[in-house]
Amino acid sequence: DGGITQSPKYLFRKEGQNVTLSCEQNLNHDAMYWYRQDPGQGLRLIYYSQIVNDFQKGDIAEGYSVSREKKESFPLTVTSAQKNPTAFYLCASSIRLTDYEQYFGPGTRLTVT
Amino acid sequence: GENVEQHPSTLSVQEGDSAVIKCTYSDSASNYFPWYKQELGKRPQLIIDIRSNVGEKKDQRIAVTLNKTAKHFSLHITETQPEDSAVYFCAASRGNTPLVFGKGTRLSVIA
Repeated sequence: DGGITQSPKYLFRKEGQNVTLSCEQNLNHDAMYWYRQDPGQGLRLIYYSQIVNDFQKGDIAEGYSVSREKKESFPLTVTSAQKNPTAFYLCASSIRLTDYEQYFGPGTRLTVT
Repeated sequence: GENVEQHPSTLSVQEGDSAVIKCTYSDSASNYFPWYKQELGKRPQLIIDIRSNVGEKKDQRIAVTLNKTAKHFSLHITETQPEDSAVYFCAASRGNTPLVFGKGTRLSVIA
């Protein structure tokens, strides 16, 4: 069954701790993305990757880090430097960066207290 | 960079009526304009897209129109049904850059 998966669905952390969100796809897509979704704010791009071992900052990259060591995987680390980390995080992938449909994962809701 | 404005932020229509959501973009080089639908508790999914060489595209009850001169594009849903209730996002891209999304429109179809 092809698709894009994220784990866990819900994540709770204490303030000051780093946390890593998982994103895996078996669609053989080159491009992968991380978005943050807050009520009334739409989908804001955190990081994106066009190819393995390459990634670029999006509009709100501060306090986040990523890696792309494998084509299938694009984990996102929310660091303690992110001032307001509680949010819903969506991962997506597409064949390539250009005008292709993006397939979204089910999302991870992170709560930091 | 690109900036996408989406209006209205909320929209309520009676079942069977039409719904229109409008987006404007700032980058005249943008050439790809998709629309995504996100039902409550689910992931966004592409419902229709249009490229800059086309003025209108239809898919059953859904249509998208593009006015490149005015830099705006719209989603039209006819004969709305309760299952059309969702948040709709427009987006724009110039092709070699990631999509820039609007802030979304929450559509409620009242039976």
